[in-house]
Amino acid sequence: AQSVTQLDSHVSVSEGTPVLLRCNYSSSYSPSLFWYVQHPNKGLQLLLKYTSAATLVKGINGFEAEFKKSETSFHLTKPSAHMSDAAEYFCVVSPISSGSARQLTFGSGTQLTVLP
Amino acid sequence: GAGVSQSPSNKVTEKGKDVELRCDPISGHTALYWYRQSLGQGLEFLIYFQGNSAPDKSGLPSDRFSAERTGGSVSTLTIQRTQQEDSAVYLCASSRTSGFLGYEQYFGPGTRLTVT
Repeated sequence: AQSVTQLDSHVSVSEGTPVLLRCNYSSSYSPSLFWYVQHPNKGLQLLLKYTSAATLVKGINGFEAEFKKSETSFHLTKPSAHMSDAAEYFCVVSPISSGSARQLTFGSGTQLTVLP
Repeated sequence: GAGVSQSPSNKVTEKGKDVELRCDPISGHTALYWYRQSLGQGLEFLIYFQGNSAPDKSGLPSDRFSAERTGGSVSTLTIQRTQQEDSAVYLCASSRTSGFLGYEQYFGPGTRLTVT
């Protein structure tokens, strides 16, 4: 079994300030972890993924996330927010295991607002 | 290179009618997934196809929902006798393989279904 908890449903930051979107996971298997972003009326876009290699993962648009097994966390960060970062962000978990369907389990999402 | 496409982009139907939603995955992707995104909630897994294997239907919410994938490519999700609670955005995703590591799912723009 696996689950994902996004600790904040809404986060608001000023342009140019750091972004932190928090995610905790639970998985019976060693997980793959992803962050997806969804802009209004657009499809989901993969930001970054963790698949048991380096624990600090760099993604597109300056985002990065760190896998912390001891804390079962995979928080998403960006040093300086841009107006175009305003969107909904989903933390996602999938088991690394053979023989199982690879459906993703999504968190409930965090809506990021960037203030001018 | 074309991404995942879905049609229609919007569908309004009357309660009790049947609807068909279509997904064209990325060429060469063997795995195909359907998800549902209801208002204010994360994504819910519905069904998964991998190659010629029997689909994993474990996420389908009722027997009114069915899906098929013809020729290992295009997929159709059918909802019979639609209910208002079926109103949601239906997302399709595809991936290269459901193999061991590193796969990622590419999402289509979704079909917004409204049942009146």
